[in-house]
Amino acid sequence: GENVEQHPSTLSVQEGDSAVIKCTYSDSASNYFPWYKQELGKGPQLIIDIRSNVGEKKDQRIAVTLNKTAKHFSLHITETQPEDSAVYFCAASYSSASKIIFGSGTRLSIRP
Amino acid sequence: NAGVTQTPKFQVLKTGQSMTLQCAQDMNHEYMSWYRQDPGMGLRLIHYSVGAGITDQGEVPNGYNVSRSTTEDFPLRLLSAAPSQTSVYFCASSFGLGQETQYFGPGTRLLVL
Repeated sequence: GENVEQHPSTLSVQEGDSAVIKCTYSDSASNYFPWYKQELGKGPQLIIDIRSNVGEKKDQRIAVTLNKTAKHFSLHITETQPEDSAVYFCAASYSSASKIIFGSGTRLSIRP
Repeated sequence: NAGVTQTPKFQVLKTGQSMTLQCAQDMNHEYMSWYRQDPGMGLRLIHYSVGAGITDQGEVPNGYNVSRSTTEDFPLRLLSAAPSQTSVYFCASSFGLGQETQYFGPGTRLLVL
């Protein structure tokens, strides 16, 4: 079955700097890669996703890149702000799958 | 829309006790699932349902039961709680399988003594 590894488990960056979180997946059939943000005391919420027919997707300060050959994908947050502090989860799935497999999460802290 | 709601928010159980975690959604989603979140383990799928009357096991189903009698509700039952079930439990729903956005509830924090 699919396995998703996520690194780092914790990340601390200065406000205004960039943050990068990386994930690798094992199942070459996976073609959908969402990223979820979990704020303290709340459930995860989708922030961006990418499908295997594109290599990069951007939405304002966040972007996701996908390397299908290497089976890894990354979340990039630029010009970080205090409200970016949260736990971020990557995940992988494929079109006929009945489940999404999540990574172990990255706790991102933004230093003022 | 209220989205996905979960009750209770927090619960303390003694080993061997039973309880039901409630989950409801008002988005007419066919797909519902239960996850547990433990430090360093991410979100692990317990059980899921692709529609009323249909349920299946996820990665960590042991010790948990589910049923889906209506589209809106998907309760999770612990028949005999164990300390290993201390965790935060999230219910999620979506329109379909695989590549659909998962909408998560606010979670239930469970402590088993």
